[in-house]
Amino acid sequence: AQRVTQPEKLLSVFKGAPVELKCNYSYSGSPELFWYVQYSRQRLQLLLRHISRESIKGFTADLNKGETSFHLKKPFAQEEDSAMYYCALLNNAGNMLTFGGGTRLMVKP
Amino acid sequence: NAGVTQTPKFQVLKTGQSMTLQCAQDMNHEYMSWYRQDPGMGLRLIHYSVGAGITDQGEVPNGYNVSRSTTEDFPLRLLSAAPSQTSVYFCASSPRQGWTEAFFGQGTRLTVV
Repeated sequence: AQRVTQPEKLLSVFKGAPVELKCNYSYSGSPELFWYVQYSRQRLQLLLRHISRESIKGFTADLNKGETSFHLKKPFAQEEDSAMYYCALLNNAGNMLTFGGGTRLMVKP
Repeated sequence: NAGVTQTPKFQVLKTGQSMTLQCAQDMNHEYMSWYRQDPGMGLRLIHYSVGAGITDQGEVPNGYNVSRSTTEDFPLRLLSAAPSQTSVYFCASSPRQGWTEAFFGQGTRLTVV
């Protein structure tokens, strides 16, 4: 069974501080991992995916297979980063996307 | 393009009532799914479909039925509503090549009293 764990329900930081949202997974196959974000009153949307190795809005995430982690990082948080963040895992068959419990990020001025 | 459209946005049901949550997408996506979002539990997969006529159960399917007669529509039926089904429901779709990017509807907030 595939499982995604986000240990922090709430993360509060000051503007300009570094941010790290944690994500751990368990999956027997070779996972494909994503970060989704939900801003206030907006739809859930894709932020980034590990296979693209991209940086979106200053966020990056590296897949660490040894630690089974996919933490989301940003060196300097902005107030507009305040949102709900979800880590998600796609199974090898490509037909099931499993989400973690989510972390609410609050960036204080 | 409207993307993924869910109706209704809000609904209050009495225990035991049945209803259908509608989901439609205009992107010709093969993959569609239903999730429920509960505080602290994230999104949990209820049912999913990989194409018209094909559906399968997710993590929490009990009390829900789905069908996929067309590519565009993927309705979720609550057979006999229970207070435990109070939640926010999200429909999502993705292109044929798998869930490489999920597009979400705006959600339906359901309260069962």
